[in-house]
Amino acid sequence: GIQVEQSPPDLILQEGANSTLRCNFSDSVNNLQWFHQNPWGQLINLFYIPSGTKQNGRLSATTVATERYSLLYISSSQTTDSGVYFCAVVGAAGNKLTFGGGTRVLVKP
Amino acid sequence: DADVTQTPRNRITKTGKRIMLECSQTKGHDRMYWYRQDPGLGLRLIYYSFDVKDINKGEISDGYSVSRQAQAKFSLSLESAIPNQTALYFCATSGGGTYGYTFGSGTRLTVV
Repeated sequence: GIQVEQSPPDLILQEGANSTLRCNFSDSVNNLQWFHQNPWGQLINLFYIPSGTKQNGRLSATTVATERYSLLYISSSQTTDSGVYFCAVVGAAGNKLTFGGGTRVLVKP
Repeated sequence: DADVTQTPRNRITKTGKRIMLECSQTKGHDRMYWYRQDPGLGLRLIYYSFDVKDINKGEISDGYSVSRQAQAKFSLSLESAIPNQTALYFCATSGGGTYGYTFGSGTRLTVV
């Protein structure tokens, strides 16, 4: 099946800093989503982005499907951005969402 | 109301007990999924269903069963719970193809 790798595994930021999270995948994809899991365990859908660039407030994402990676940008980080960020994909030959291992982000005040 | 509703939100049960986790959705999607998350790890697929008459095993289906009672309802059962089934369980739905997935708020299950 398709493999999804996220980096870095852990990230510590000072409030106000910018950061970039990366997601590499091993095959062509029909679907790519970024999720934020908050400290209470809820999965919040950030972006549906199988290709191209999207922005939502301080967050933006870019997927370069031909090179099999996606980037999530966090600008002017806030303590509420803490949590785990997951990238998940559906391969072009598959029909199920496969998750990466996540990036654990801690934003310090 | 939430698009995907899971009940209960939290549950503590004893080893050997049967337990059912329920999921309902208002998205009108045909496809529904059950995932499991262990501490510090990503989500892994337990079972999925593409319509009422279609049930498929995921990567970690042993010890679990499911029932698709209607397009909007998909339940997960642990016939005889064991401690290593302690985890956070998520239900999800999708429209298939290029549609995104929508997840419920999760059920935190503890087996003692």
